[in-house]
Amino acid sequence: AQKVTQAQTEISVVEKEDVTLDCVYETLDTTYYLFWYKQPPSGELVFLIRRNSFDEQNEISGRYSWNFQKSTSSFNFTITASQVVDSAVYFCALWCYNTDKLIFGTGTRLQVFP
Amino acid sequence: DTAVSQTPKYLVTQMGNDKSIKCEQNLGHDTMYWYKQDSKKFLKIMFSYNNKELIINETVPNRFSPKSPDKAHLNLHINSLELGDSAVYFCASSQGDRGAQHFGDGTRLSIL
Repeated sequence: AQKVTQAQTEISVVEKEDVTLDCVYETLDTTYYLFWYKQPPSGELVFLIRRNSFDEQNEISGRYSWNFQKSTSSFNFTITASQVVDSAVYFCALWCYNTDKLIFGTGTRLQVFP
Repeated sequence: DTAVSQTPKYLVTQMGNDKSIKCEQNLGHDTMYWYKQDSKKFLKIMFSYNNKELIINETVPNRFSPKSPDKAHLNLHINSLELGDSAVYFCASSQGDRGAQHFGDGTRLSIL
């Protein structure tokens, strides 16, 4: 069965701290895609990144970086030098060829305090 | 210039009524979706359409009926609304079923 686990329900940090959001996935498929989405307090869902199962290269985009490790079935997200505007709920999601749909984790609420 | 737009943003109505939510995308995508986000923020797919054809129909009550007049539009009609239908409904679109899905701003449905 396909599953996404975000064990951290809520994380609080002070501005400028680095923070890592964990994501562990389960699938028996060899072809799959992993995603991260951000949901700020205003409620919209913002696409951040998509990574396919054959590309384990880590990615950096500004203060955001993602670490994909197939050996531990993890796709963790790190925000460097966090800012108050990073406060949001972050969702990790998995798309599998077998199920043909996007399965979301339960989300991690990140609060960044000034 | 909004990529995926859904209307209305808020919908407050009585139990038993019928209501519709509209969704339009101008990204040229061929696949559109409806998701439900409950009060605990859990997101679950309800339906997906590819080029106007129904692809995914999760275990959703048949009071919910999606309609796709063309590949840029996917509307959601809900009959006989119940208290448990209160949620935020998101429309999304992607190019192909594994493409990055882009979401609308959501419709907050509240049943009185």
